[in-house]
Amino acid sequence: DTAVSQTPKYLVTQMGNDKSIKCEQNLGHDTMYWYKQDSKKFLKIMFSYNNKELIINETVPNRFSPKSPDKAHLNLHINSLELGDSAVYFCASSLLVSGGFETQYFGPGTRLLVL
Amino acid sequence: AQSVSQHNHHVILSEAASLELGCNYSYGGTVNLFWYVQYPGQHLQLLLKYFSGDPLVKGIKGFEAEFIKSKFSFNLRKPSVQWSDTAEYFCAVEGNQGGKLIFGQGTELSVKP
Repeated sequence: DTAVSQTPKYLVTQMGNDKSIKCEQNLGHDTMYWYKQDSKKFLKIMFSYNNKELIINETVPNRFSPKSPDKAHLNLHINSLELGDSAVYFCASSLLVSGGFETQYFGPGTRLLVL
Repeated sequence: AQSVSQHNHHVILSEAASLELGCNYSYGGTVNLFWYVQYPGQHLQLLLKYFSGDPLVKGIKGFEAEFIKSKFSFNLRKPSVQWSDTAEYFCAVEGNQGGKLIFGQGTELSVKP
């Protein structure tokens, strides 16, 4: 009964490859997010989707392309991977209510290592 | 631009010691405030949050935090830590761009048994 799940948990790949990370939530939320946690554990938001619409798009290389096929899924595709993309990527979800966004719930993270 | 600063990078305590982790933010408008915890190898979990009302909020596992608007602070406290509290603690702020959490750099807490 995992609330926010991500696959894969670990991803080791070569520079220049293209890879995808998948995220699914079963909380009935309508908003999903991608965060990047670097080697110093600093967390920074990358993207957010509400009902499949992009609402937050931080300064992220256009090699990163999020895709939301429905409001329960938000995938992250990365083209031409670089060494600096090595990080832990966290997916999160929340609910948008009349007063704003509710608490974000995080997935277990995907540890990406680019060699 | 909004930012969050956590004063301590690494805190080492013995069991039963009291804990206070500092968090300050820079944003002049209405904010929602959060503390998340990340146990080793695990995902972020919400400890507590402040949206409005009583500035002293209580969370899970005996943690509490106090929002002091005049000081732009939201410090986390626990009267008596346990070895199982060893983790990374993140303060986060949600400002005018709804849904966008700005995180502090994290504080690593090590509790010695």
